[in-house]
Amino acid sequence: QVQLVESGGGLVKPGGSLRLSCAASGFTFSDYHMSWIRQAPGQGLEWVSYISSGGSRIYYADSVKGRFTISRDNAKKSVYLQMNSLRVEDMAVYYCARESDIVPLDVWGQGTTVTVSS
Amino acid sequence: QSVLTQPPSVSGAPGQRVTISCTGSSSNIGAGYAVHWYQQLPGTAPKLLIYGNSNRPSGVPDRFSGSKSGTSASLAITGLQAEDEADYYCQSYDSSLSAPFGTGTKVTVL
Repeated sequence: QVQLVESGGGLVKPGGSLRLSCAASGFTFSDYHMSWIRQAPGQGLEWVSYISSGGSRIYYADSVKGRFTISRDNAKKSVYLQMNSLRVEDMAVYYCARESDIVPLDVWGQGTTVTVSS
Repeated sequence: QSVLTQPPSVSGAPGQRVTISCTGSSSNIGAGYAVHWYQQLPGTAPKLLIYGNSNRPSGVPDRFSGSKSGTSASLAITGLQAEDEADYYCQSYDSSLSAPFGTGTKVTVL
């Protein structure tokens, strides 16, 4: 079935780094754009980053620009989020989701939790 | 702070109609960008409810409908049911090349 599975979350100290992965299955990954969205504890959804199906278009939220890097490997059917210089305010559940030119975020992963604490 | 503003909460009795507003500006909704809506049940990932202002994905009941006018959009739920108790988020695009979500609205079924 169509599925996205995130991994790579964990506990990291402020200023540290973490790399999140999102593995896709059940659909033609290279046909879809991918996004990362996060949700801090008890807070709303925050769009983080987007990468187009071929990887040529990449966008970031201002809150993570210069610190986070999105990438994808269509052969491995995976999208990644490299997070550097992590801050306490980056602590959240991170979701990956797919989208197409017509239909937005229609399939979401279960999320992976990032905790930033000393 | 999101550029898309929603009321923090709305409530209604079973069977009633409730609406959730999503207010943006000329750089996002007012610029002609589509508005999408998501439902998030407690402890679960969000689910796409409405896309392209008013389109329902397969499987979404027709009790849910969306509309857009000017710099705002609305989600309506008619025939409110207990299972509709959840958080609802709008999303659009912005001329700053971002895709912000709204501030979120908690729907309570009385």
